Amino acid sequence: AQTVTQSQPEMSVQEAETVTLSCTYDTSESDYYLFWYKQPPSRQMILVIRQEAYKQQNATENRFSVNFQKAAKSFSLKISDSQLGDAAMYFCAYRSVDSGGSNYKLTFGKGTLLTVNP
Amino acid sequence: KAGVTQTPRYLIKTRGQQVTLSCSPISGHRSVSWYQQTPGQGLQFLFEYFSETQRNKGNFPGRFSGRQFSNSRSEMNVSTLELGDSALYLCASSPITRGETQYFGPGTRLLVL
Repeated sequence: AQTVTQSQPEMSVQEAETVTLSCTYDTSESDYYLFWYKQPPSRQMILVIRQEAYKQQNATENRFSVNFQKAAKSFSLKISDSQLGDAAMYFCAYRSVDSGGSNYKLTFGKGTLLTVNP
Repeated sequence: KAGVTQTPRYLIKTRGQQVTLSCSPISGHRSVSWYQQTPGQGLQFLFEYFSETQRNKGNFPGRFSGRQFSNSRSEMNVSTLELGDSALYLCASSPITRGETQYFGPGTRLLVL
């Protein structure tokens, strides 16, 4: 079974600065998907960024980018120019690629609570 | 497109009762998944439905069940509620292509007294 570990329960960053959230995972599969979701106090889970394991290029979405190290099974999220609205719980998630459609579940880490200081 | 909707948003029940939660996926999405979120256990997968069939099931007791209708709307039911069932229940939908992202609803917060 796959596992996802987020070793930083809490992180803080100054507004306009850069912060990196860590995520490691364990899997024996060679093809899979990784995600970062954000959950603000409203509790709505919002997709931040997604990475396909077969792609060597790191995904980017505006101020959000990832550092995907497949051999090390590491998937960190970098937030540049942090804004007050970035304050939230961030979850790293793993999903298998199963062409038979039998394994579409997401496996989540425990989350990292990000505080943004003005 | 409208997002994933869940009803009700909040619910208070007592031990022993049963509850039904509803989820309407994004239009065109055929896969619906359910997750339970608690402070102690984090986010745990409950089950996933596609074309009215349960394809995946997490490690939860048989008191937790679900179904999907022909319009892809889904319901989950919890019978004989226990205090430990208090949680945020999240529904997510996705199209049914390889590796598609799951989009989440706002959740239903269930409190069992």
